[in-house]
Amino acid sequence: QVQLQESGPGLVKPSQTLSLTCTVSGGSISSGGYYWSWIRQHPGKGLEWIGYIYYSGSTYYNPSLKSRVTISVDTSKNQFSLKLSSVTAADTAVYYCARGVETFDYWGQGTLVTVSS
Amino acid sequence: QSALTQPASVSGSPGQSITISCTGTSSDVGGYNYVSWYQQHPGKAPKLMIYDVSNRPSGVSNRFSGSKSGNTASLTISGLQAEDEADYYCSSYTSSSTLAYVFGTGTKVTVL
Repeated sequence: QVQLQESGPGLVKPSQTLSLTCTVSGGSISSGGYYWSWIRQHPGKGLEWIGYIYYSGSTYYNPSLKSRVTISVDTSKNQFSLKLSSVTAADTAVYYCARGVETFDYWGQGTLVTVSS
Repeated sequence: QSALTQPASVSGSPGQSITISCTGTSSDVGGYNYVSWYQQHPGKAPKLMIYDVSNRPSGVSNRFSGSKSGNTASLTISGLQAEDEADYYCSSYTSSSTLAYVFGTGTKVTVL
């Protein structure tokens, strides 16, 4: 059973960079065949796809966030990470990591990141 | 890229069937069979219920079924149960712009 777990600071100051890591267990990121995504959900709102990465390192980002987003992968640790720069209060959300791109079949529990001074 | 359109709320009594619609365009729902449905209980992560329009993952009740007609996909829950009360989101691959993936606006299902 594949499991994903997000980790990282729950509070980030405006203009700083949000950094989260997703640790995958029960399966190898580098086994291939799957993309690994970040998705966020603003409080009380719907879901927004942020971007995905393949184990090879190839990425694809939501154009609305592309200038501020970097997703990377560390296959040795079976982790992938999200960096979102120049954050504002509008980036306050629950951030989820998930497996897949057309279909997200496994999700992390989500982590709330609040942007506030 | 706009979100796919879903009704804000749908309700039904236990045992009844309800259907949630998800309307897009020929660049997303209508053009590809990559429509998925997710169930989200409060404070929990979304759970995959339907993928590729009408396929159920292992472990998902057969009370949940999906279909598509033109630019509109639908999720039907039959034999409604109290545990089905949750938010439901559709999603689809899209080729309308550089965005690869789009979610629906979400539907709150209430069991009366």
